[in-house]
Amino acid sequence: DAMVIQNPRYQVTQFGKPVTLSCSQTLNHNVMYWYQQKSSQAPKLLFHYYDKDFNNEADTPDNFQSRRPNTSFCFLDIRSPGLGDAAMYLCATSRPRGSISTDTQYFGPGTRLTVL
Amino acid sequence: SQQGEEDPQALSIQEGENATMNCSYKTSINNLQWYRQNSGRGLVHLILIRSNEREKHSGRLRVTLDTSKKSSSLLITASRAADTASYFCATATSGTYKYIFGTGTRLKVLA
Repeated sequence: DAMVIQNPRYQVTQFGKPVTLSCSQTLNHNVMYWYQQKSSQAPKLLFHYYDKDFNNEADTPDNFQSRRPNTSFCFLDIRSPGLGDAAMYLCATSRPRGSISTDTQYFGPGTRLTVL
Repeated sequence: SQQGEEDPQALSIQEGENATMNCSYKTSINNLQWYRQNSGRGLVHLILIRSNEREKHSGRLRVTLDTSKKSSSLLITASRAADTASYFCATATSGTYKYIFGTGTRLKVLA
Protein backbone atom coordinates (compact mmCIF):
# COMPACT_ATOMS: atom_id res chain seq x y z
CA ASP A 1 0.00 0.00 0.00
CA ALA A 2 1.15 3.52 -0.73
CA MET A 3 2.04 5.26 2.45
CA VAL A 4 4.19 7.63 4.48
CA ILE A 5 6.89 5.91 6.51
CA GLN A 6 8.88 7.39 9.35
CA ASN A 7 12.00 5.94 10.88
CA PRO A 8 12.75 5.37 13.61
CA ARG A 9 9.47 5.33 15.52
CA TYR A 10 11.30 6.10 18.75
CA GLN A 11 14.56 7.99 19.02
CA VAL A 12 16.55 8.73 22.14
CA THR A 13 19.39 11.21 21.98
CA GLN A 14 21.56 13.11 24.39
CA PHE A 15 21.42 16.81 25.03
CA GLY A 16 23.41 18.51 22.27
CA LYS A 17 23.98 15.37 20.19
CA PRO A 18 22.81 15.81 16.57
CA VAL A 19 19.98 13.59 15.44
CA THR A 20 18.33 12.90 12.08
CA LEU A 21 14.77 11.73 11.57
CA SER A 22 13.72 10.14 8.31
CA CYS A 23 10.53 10.21 6.25
CA SER A 24 9.79 8.41 3.01
CA GLN A 25 6.69 8.25 0.85
CA THR A 26 5.43 6.01 -1.92
CA LEU A 27 2.63 8.38 -2.92
CA ASN A 28 4.78 10.44 -5.32
CA HIS A 29 3.43 13.62 -3.75
CA ASN A 30 5.05 16.97 -4.50
CA VAL A 31 4.80 18.45 -1.03
CA MET A 32 6.33 17.10 2.15
CA TYR A 33 5.88 18.62 5.59
CA TRP A 34 7.50 18.35 9.00
CA TYR A 35 5.47 19.08 12.13
CA GLN A 36 6.47 19.15 15.77
CA GLN A 37 3.84 18.05 18.29
CA LYS A 38 4.41 18.39 22.00
CA SER A 39 2.31 16.59 24.55
CA SER A 40 -1.37 17.67 24.52
CA GLN A 41 -0.70 20.33 21.89
CA ALA A 42 -1.57 20.76 18.24
CA PRO A 43 0.94 19.89 15.52
CA LYS A 44 3.10 22.90 14.69
CA LEU A 45 4.41 23.28 11.15
CA LEU A 46 8.20 23.56 11.04
CA PHE A 47 8.74 23.68 7.27
CA HIS A 48 7.62 22.18 4.00
CA TYR A 49 8.99 21.41 0.55
CA TYR A 50 7.23 21.83 -2.75
CA ASP A 51 9.42 19.57 -4.85
CA LYS A 52 12.88 20.96 -3.97
CA ASP A 53 11.59 24.39 -3.03
CA PHE A 54 12.11 24.78 0.73
CA ASN A 55 9.71 26.87 2.84
CA ASN A 56 10.68 27.61 6.41
CA GLU A 57 8.24 28.88 9.02
CA ALA A 58 9.34 32.19 10.54
CA ASP A 59 9.35 30.83 14.08
CA THR A 60 11.18 27.57 13.36
CA PRO A 61 14.45 27.62 15.33
CA ASP A 62 17.73 27.56 13.38
CA ASN A 63 18.52 24.37 15.25
CA PHE A 64 16.13 22.57 12.89
CA GLN A 65 17.19 21.87 9.32
CA SER A 66 15.75 19.73 6.56
CA ARG A 67 16.91 17.96 3.42
CA ARG A 68 14.96 16.49 0.55
CA PRO A 69 17.36 14.64 -1.75
CA ASN A 70 14.58 13.29 -3.98
CA THR A 71 10.78 13.09 -4.25
CA SER A 72 10.52 10.11 -1.94
CA PHE A 73 12.69 11.10 1.00
CA CYS A 74 12.83 13.98 3.45
CA PHE A 75 15.02 14.33 6.54
CA LEU A 76 14.75 16.43 9.67
CA ASP A 77 18.08 17.31 11.26
CA ILE A 78 18.22 18.67 14.79
CA ARG A 79 21.72 20.03 15.17
CA SER A 80 21.90 20.43 18.93
CA PRO A 81 18.82 18.99 20.62
CA GLY A 82 17.71 20.59 23.84
CA LEU A 83 15.29 19.26 26.42
CA GLY A 84 12.59 21.45 24.89
CA ASP A 85 12.89 19.61 21.59
CA ALA A 86 11.48 16.41 23.04
CA ALA A 87 8.29 15.85 21.07
CA MET A 88 6.54 13.78 18.43
CA TYR A 89 7.74 14.69 14.93
CA LEU A 90 5.22 14.09 12.20
CA CYS A 91 5.89 13.92 8.48
CA ALA A 92 3.09 14.47 5.99
CA THR A 93 2.63 14.71 2.24
CA SER A 94 0.11 16.27 -0.09
CA ARG A 95 -0.44 16.63 -3.79
CA PRO A 96 -1.72 20.09 -4.64
CA ARG A 97 -3.50 20.70 -7.90
CA GLY A 98 -2.30 23.83 -9.60
CA SER A 99 -0.95 26.55 -7.36
CA ILE A 100 -3.07 25.95 -4.30
CA SER A 101 -3.55 23.24 -1.78
CA THR A 102 -6.79 21.42 -2.31
CA ASP A 103 -5.99 17.92 -1.21
CA THR A 104 -5.78 16.20 2.09
CA GLN A 105 -2.53 15.56 3.89
CA TYR A 106 -1.30 12.03 4.49
CA PHE A 107 0.56 11.56 7.74
CA GLY A 108 3.19 9.11 8.84
CA PRO A 109 2.99 7.46 12.27
CA GLY A 110 5.48 9.92 13.78
CA THR A 111 8.84 9.65 15.53
CA ARG A 112 8.85 10.23 19.26
CA LEU A 113 12.06 11.98 20.26
CA THR A 114 13.39 11.81 23.79
CA VAL A 115 16.29 14.05 24.84
CA LEU A 116 18.28 12.98 27.89
CA SER B 1 -0.08 33.19 15.83
CA GLN B 2 -2.15 31.94 12.94
CA GLN B 3 -3.21 28.88 14.87
CA GLY B 4 -6.90 28.11 14.93
CA GLU B 5 -8.93 27.73 18.07
CA GLU B 6 -11.13 24.80 18.96
CA ASP B 7 -13.74 24.45 21.62
CA PRO B 8 -14.40 22.83 23.85
CA GLN B 9 -10.85 21.86 24.86
CA ALA B 10 -12.23 18.70 26.41
CA LEU B 11 -15.55 16.90 26.14
CA SER B 12 -16.85 13.89 28.04
CA ILE B 13 -20.07 12.16 26.95
CA GLN B 14 -21.88 8.87 27.31
CA GLU B 15 -21.83 6.26 24.57
CA GLY B 16 -24.71 6.86 22.14
CA GLU B 17 -24.75 10.63 22.63
CA ASN B 18 -23.71 13.11 19.98
CA ALA B 19 -20.48 15.10 20.22
CA THR B 20 -20.01 18.54 18.68
CA MET B 21 -16.69 20.31 18.32
CA ASN B 22 -16.10 23.77 16.93
CA CYS B 23 -13.16 25.27 15.10
CA SER B 24 -12.41 28.91 14.33
CA TYR B 25 -9.62 30.12 12.08
CA LYS B 26 -8.08 33.42 11.05
CA THR B 27 -7.08 33.36 7.38
CA SER B 28 -8.74 32.77 4.03
CA ILE B 29 -8.75 29.08 3.24
CA ASN B 30 -8.99 26.63 0.35
CA ASN B 31 -10.33 23.84 2.49
CA LEU B 32 -10.72 22.70 6.06
CA GLN B 33 -10.03 19.19 7.28
CA TRP B 34 -10.70 17.28 10.44
CA TYR B 35 -8.31 14.72 11.87
CA ARG B 36 -8.44 12.24 14.73
CA GLN B 37 -5.48 11.33 16.86
CA ASN B 38 -5.43 8.51 19.37
CA SER B 39 -3.10 9.00 22.30
CA GLY B 40 0.54 8.94 21.20
CA ARG B 41 -0.32 7.97 17.64
CA GLY B 42 -0.32 9.62 14.20
CA LEU B 43 -3.11 11.68 12.68
CA VAL B 44 -5.94 10.02 10.79
CA HIS B 45 -7.79 12.06 8.18
CA LEU B 46 -11.57 12.09 8.73
CA ILE B 47 -13.15 14.51 6.30
CA LEU B 48 -12.35 17.45 4.03
CA ILE B 49 -14.70 20.31 3.22
CA ARG B 50 -13.83 22.81 0.50
CA SER B 51 -14.27 26.55 0.94
CA ASN B 52 -17.24 26.61 -1.45
CA GLU B 53 -19.08 23.87 0.46
CA ARG B 54 -21.31 24.44 3.48
CA GLU B 55 -21.97 20.93 4.76
CA LYS B 56 -20.56 17.47 4.26
CA HIS B 57 -21.39 14.02 5.62
CA SER B 58 -19.36 10.87 6.00
CA GLY B 59 -20.90 8.01 7.92
CA ARG B 60 -21.53 9.27 11.47
CA LEU B 61 -19.66 12.50 10.80
CA ARG B 62 -21.21 15.79 9.77
CA VAL B 63 -19.10 18.86 9.09
CA THR B 64 -20.32 22.39 8.50
CA LEU B 65 -18.33 25.38 7.28
CA ASP B 66 -19.20 29.07 7.56
CA THR B 67 -16.52 31.06 5.75
CA SER B 68 -18.15 34.39 6.67
CA LYS B 69 -17.61 33.56 10.35
CA LYS B 70 -14.38 31.63 9.72
CA SER B 71 -15.72 28.68 11.65
CA SER B 72 -16.49 25.00 11.27
CA SER B 73 -18.13 22.34 13.38
CA LEU B 74 -17.73 18.57 13.53
CA LEU B 75 -20.64 16.48 14.75
CA ILE B 76 -20.15 12.82 15.64
CA THR B 77 -23.49 11.07 16.02
CA ALA B 78 -24.19 8.00 18.15
CA SER B 79 -20.73 8.09 19.67
CA ARG B 80 -18.84 4.94 20.64
CA ALA B 81 -16.08 4.30 23.16
CA ALA B 82 -13.73 3.83 20.18
CA ASP B 83 -14.31 7.49 19.24
CA THR B 84 -12.28 8.52 22.31
CA ALA B 85 -9.42 10.57 20.87
CA SER B 86 -8.25 14.11 20.19
CA TYR B 87 -9.81 15.86 17.21
CA PHE B 88 -8.06 18.59 15.26
CA CYS B 89 -9.19 20.90 12.51
CA ALA B 90 -6.61 21.98 9.94
CA THR B 91 -7.02 24.76 7.41
CA ALA B 92 -5.28 24.98 4.05
CA THR B 93 -4.29 28.63 3.79
CA SER B 94 -5.33 30.26 0.50
CA GLY B 95 -2.54 30.67 -2.02
CA THR B 96 -0.15 28.39 -0.16
CA TYR B 97 0.50 24.74 0.53
CA LYS B 98 0.43 25.35 4.28
CA TYR B 99 -1.90 23.68 6.73
CA ILE B 100 -2.50 25.27 10.12
CA PHE B 101 -3.89 23.14 12.93
CA GLY B 102 -6.37 24.15 15.58
CA THR B 103 -5.72 23.61 19.26
CA GLY B 104 -7.74 20.37 19.38
CA THR B 105 -10.62 18.89 21.36
CA ARG B 106 -10.04 15.89 23.62
CA LEU B 107 -13.12 13.68 23.42
CA LYS B 108 -13.83 10.97 25.95
CA VAL B 109 -16.74 8.61 25.32
CA LEU B 110 -17.79 6.66 28.39
CA ALA B 111 -19.14 3.15 27.91
